[in-house]
Amino acid sequence: EPEVTQTPSHQVTQMGQEVILRCVPISNHLYFYWYRQILGQKVEFLVSFYNNEISEKSEIFDDQFSVERPDGSNFTLKIRSTKLEDSAMYFCASYRGQGDLEQFFGPGTRLTVL
Amino acid sequence: QKEVEQNSGPLSVPEGAIASLNCTYSDRGSQSFFWYRQYSGKSPELIMFIYSNGDKEDGRFTAQLNKASQYVSLLIRDSQPSDSATYLCAVGLYGQNFVFGPGTRLSVLP
Repeated sequence: EPEVTQTPSHQVTQMGQEVILRCVPISNHLYFYWYRQILGQKVEFLVSFYNNEISEKSEIFDDQFSVERPDGSNFTLKIRSTKLEDSAMYFCASYRGQGDLEQFFGPGTRLTVL
Repeated sequence: QKEVEQNSGPLSVPEGAIASLNCTYSDRGSQSFFWYRQYSGKSPELIMFIYSNGDKEDGRFTAQLNKASQYVSLLIRDSQPSDSATYLCAVGLYGQNFVFGPGTRLSVLP
């Protein structure tokens, strides 16, 4: 069964460093998302991406964040200068569109900022 | 601000009992409603979704939606210890981001 994959599973970085989190959505899906979940808190929407552009973003998704679909398969989230409060699980999700309703989530990347 | 609220946990039920999980949402324009299960340290896993008023059954799970009351629930029949997890209610529009509730932790006691 097709699934969303994410790499790495765990990323440790120093405050102020740039990180890139990678996702491979399900191949025939058209909509892509990033969510984050700080430990013990709820899942929060960051950004959605459709037709090679951002379709919606939350207040969390400030200028430190960017997303890209550099080729036909990868979908990346870049954090330019990490802060301690960026430590969280980051989930990528994809959605086929075309009448389907469900978003499929990847296994997540745990980001730890020291 | 779109809000999704869930009944606070933890909710403990004995094995074999029915677990009832509740969710309310603030945006009347919401069209689709999802229940996800999340084990500690893992990603959300879809249990089922509903978009029409009424009940929808899938195995031991029944989702109930009442758009007039802005309320959605999940019933788990014959609860098993493996059902112990955090249950997330998510509300969305087609192709748009989901708004998640804070989750209800369920513990099924053997």
